[in-house]
Amino acid sequence: QSVLTQPPSVSGAPGQRVTISCTGSSSNIGARYDVHWYQQLPGTAPKLLIYGNSNRPSGVPDRFSGSKSGTSASLAITGLQAEDEADYYCQSYDSSLNYVFGTGTKVTVL
Amino acid sequence: QITLKESGPTLVKPTQTLTLTCTFSGFSLDTTGVGVGWIRQPPGKALEWLALIYWDDDKRYSPSLKSRLTITKDTSKNQVVLTMTNMDPVDTATYYCAHARYSGSYYADYWGQGTLVTVSS
Repeated sequence: QSVLTQPPSVSGAPGQRVTISCTGSSSNIGARYDVHWYQQLPGTAPKLLIYGNSNRPSGVPDRFSGSKSGTSASLAITGLQAEDEADYYCQSYDSSLNYVFGTGTKVTVL
Repeated sequence: QITLKESGPTLVKPTQTLTLTCTFSGFSLDTTGVGVGWIRQPPGKALEWLALIYWDDDKRYSPSLKSRLTITKDTSKNQVVLTMTNMDPVDTATYYCAHARYSGSYYADYWGQGTLVTVSS
């Protein structure tokens, strides 16, 4: 059972904006550890999407953005596209549990 | 360019010890700030971070699995080895290794393709 909670699923029509929350606690996100986000397309290895709360690696479209506030973080996808249909995971560090992933969110493009 | 590849058995029996090797290229595990981690994913389930070894040979383990895990590095061979003892069917998963770097906490910026390990008698 992960200490970082995400909604199981979110959905949106092409072109819409969706957000995925990642809720932690004072021992992880609230302890000022950075949050990172990964995208996992079906049958493939995860891919880094956002690091350090809000930074995009080279090659990641600016439709993806991340933010952090208090004990939570969010990933936003604007201009949703069919190719964005995937599982998304947040990840951080917990002072008791070491490195932790979120529970994962499946994004469906309607 | 950084690449990583996992290797090891695809099938292990319950109670056996699993040994997985991560062979990498494009970076050195002697470089300050670099780490290599192991992450697993049971079929249809979420990612789980297992262990991380740092450039200075410091190590972090998942507390729930710490008693069963050992992570080591061989810098001359560009390899990181993970051993997991007393395997159980619930350990059936795809096991990934990843290059890790730091930005407020370590994160995995390059991943191997993963290797599916099935635990069954």
